[in-house]
Amino acid sequence: NAGVTQTPKFQVLKTGQSMTLQCAQDMNHNSMYWYRQDPGMGLRLIYYSASEGTTDKGEVPNGYNVSRLNKREFSLRLESAAPSQTSVYFCASSERRGQGGMNTEAFFGQGTRLTVV
Amino acid sequence: GNSVTQMEGPVTLSEEAFLTINCTYTATGYPSLFWYVQYPGEGLQLLLKATKADDKGSNKGFEATYRKETTSFHLEKGSVQVSDSAVYFCALKSGGSNYKLTFGKGTLLTVNP
Repeated sequence: NAGVTQTPKFQVLKTGQSMTLQCAQDMNHNSMYWYRQDPGMGLRLIYYSASEGTTDKGEVPNGYNVSRLNKREFSLRLESAAPSQTSVYFCASSERRGQGGMNTEAFFGQGTRLTVV
Repeated sequence: GNSVTQMEGPVTLSEEAFLTINCTYTATGYPSLFWYVQYPGEGLQLLLKATKADDKGSNKGFEATYRKETTSFHLEKGSVQVSDSAVYFCALKSGGSNYKLTFGKGTLLTVNP
């Protein structure tokens, strides 16, 4: 059981380049999330998808776009990378059951370490 | 909006010492509370949770009690081990936030032999 799988694990981009971070989960979860982790900042939500076909902005959406391709997959795209987007990116998923998912935990991928030079 | 405040790290302890990591929160409604742990080079994984006031979550010797009156969810362990060295995150989820997880900034714990 793979859980949440992110690709790639590491990436170096030049300023202005674009790329897509891929995420897939095999737990049949409805909700999926993208976070970025920066030193001293904890995890900040970029975008989330409460269910297939819906996406919403989180705390720090500027410079990013997302696509919920199907129930399993949720991708994050950087159209024109900037050094400020150097970070570790985590994808997560959770179930929605009982009170809309109030009590359910999130499962995280291993992360993508992105450096923009 | 929702927020989580954790004690500043890093925290360095000797093996078998007592651990407390403070966590307080601000949230709409009645949130669920979580502690996640991140071991070096890995993603986050759930350590324990509590879903209503006065609940105690526990796992691997760690405990935390949901205190609504003080809006706190402090993490404790009676005797830490070197293998507990990791970053610990307090988090909450509330209906008012459309069930998104809000995290604290994390506390780095280092346990020395």
